[in-house]
Amino acid sequence: DAKTTQPNSMESNEEEPVHLPCNHSTISGTDYIHWYRQLPSQGPEYVIHGLTSNVNNRMASLAIAEDRKSSTLILHRATLRDAAVYYCILRDEGGAQKLVFGQGTRLTINP
Amino acid sequence: EAGVAQSPRYKIIEKRQSVAFWCNPISGHATLYWYQQILGQGPKLLIQFQNNGVVDDSQLPKDRFSAERLKGVDSTLKIQPAKLEDSAVYLCASSPRVVLETQYFGPGTRLLVL
Repeated sequence: DAKTTQPNSMESNEEEPVHLPCNHSTISGTDYIHWYRQLPSQGPEYVIHGLTSNVNNRMASLAIAEDRKSSTLILHRATLRDAAVYYCILRDEGGAQKLVFGQGTRLTINP
Repeated sequence: EAGVAQSPRYKIIEKRQSVAFWCNPISGHATLYWYQQILGQGPKLLIQFQNNGVVDDSQLPKDRFSAERLKGVDSTLKIQPAKLEDSAVYLCASSPRVVLETQYFGPGTRLLVL
């Protein structure tokens, strides 16, 4: 499974945008970029995914670099409920379907 | 739509005892996953079922862990005998099919082995 690299922790303020980076320099052409997050004492939950183009949904936006070797999850206006561990995961369209979680980024939101 | 249900939520046992966890996936979801999450780490897949057949159990410690999914719905994960290093949160997830589908996770069972 292709590897991703994320900062261990990040901190932001409430109602400000948050940009969570992810490096995946060995990404292959069939790897999708998925983001999940895990709130305290809960199971992970899906946030967003994409292949090449930037993606938006009600939770977040995903910006994918042109060479696909990095991506950024964008929370447009963070709230205290966004405090969680965010995982960036590569999933091969044609390969194993399991989610391979790394350490993720622990996001702290200050009031 | 009801989410993935797991029970119990917490369990404390002594080493060498046995323990079982139960998972009820979202109705109609064909694929079921069990993950182990040790404190401070991301979840690690233990076993994946497609209906009631095993797709991937490569990281399941088969000498002490077993899992089954009867009739392709509910699933149980058993540890016998438990070791101290089995202390973790055991997460169950389900998805409608296999290919790149979103996985929906339950709240997990927190196991402490003393």
